[in-house]
Amino acid sequence: GAVVSQHPSWVICKSGTSVKIECRSLDFQATTMFWYRQFPKQSLMLMATSNEGSKATYEQGVEKDKFLINHASLTLSTLTVTSAHPEDSSFYICSASYGTYGETQYFGPGTRLLVL
Amino acid sequence: AQTVTQSQPEMSVQEAETVTLSCTYDTSESDYYLFWYKQPPSRQMILVIRQEAYKQQNATENRFSVNFQKAAKSFSLKISDSQLGDAAMYFCALYYGQNFVFGPGTRLSVLP
Repeated sequence: GAVVSQHPSWVICKSGTSVKIECRSLDFQATTMFWYRQFPKQSLMLMATSNEGSKATYEQGVEKDKFLINHASLTLSTLTVTSAHPEDSSFYICSASYGTYGETQYFGPGTRLLVL
Repeated sequence: AQTVTQSQPEMSVQEAETVTLSCTYDTSESDYYLFWYKQPPSRQMILVIRQEAYKQQNATENRFSVNFQKAAKSFSLKISDSQLGDAAMYFCALYYGQNFVFGPGTRLSVLP
C-alpha cells in the first residue's frame, strides 16, 4: 500500500518551453502533497506544499510563477516548470502524506529534468 | 527554527555486521514524529522506520531499530545483519504540523 507514482520519469526539453510533472497517490487519498528538488549528492529541498483544492504554499525563495502547482484532487498534484532554463535542470520528487495526522510521507520515484 | 543534523557524511559496514547512523534534531514542538528514509541509487525514497515522539518505546522494523533519546534530541538508526542492498543514502527527518525537515544525509556503503 501507499504507492505514489510520478510521470514522466525523464524529460528533456528546450529552453523556454514548459514542462508538466504529475504526481499521483495510487491507493490512498492524500490531503497534502509536497514537491521537492534535489541537487546531486544533496538532501531534499522542499519547494512547496499543496493541499487539495487550495493554493500551494511555497517555500521562501521559490518562484510561484516559475513553478506552478495544482492539486486538483485528492490523488493528483501537478508541477509545471514554466519557461524552463538550464538552471532548472534537476531531480524533482513529489510525496503524498498519509497517516492519521498526515505525518508519514510516501515518495514518488522522481523526475529528472534536463533543459537544453 | 527546527533543524536536523547528521554528523556522519559517510559510513561503511561489513556485510552481516551492525552499523549505527546518528541523527540529532532541534525543535520546540512537543508533538512531532521522526523518520529514517533510505535513498538507493535508483533515487526512490523509501520509508525505513518512524517514531512518534510521545512514545517512549523505540521503534523496530525487522533489522532496523532506533535509539530515541527525547531529552537529548537524538534519534539514531541501527542496522543489524547489514546486507548489500542496504547501501544507500539515509536521511533522518522531522515532522511537525505539516512541516518536514530533512537532514543532510549519510551515505552508507556495505562491504562484501
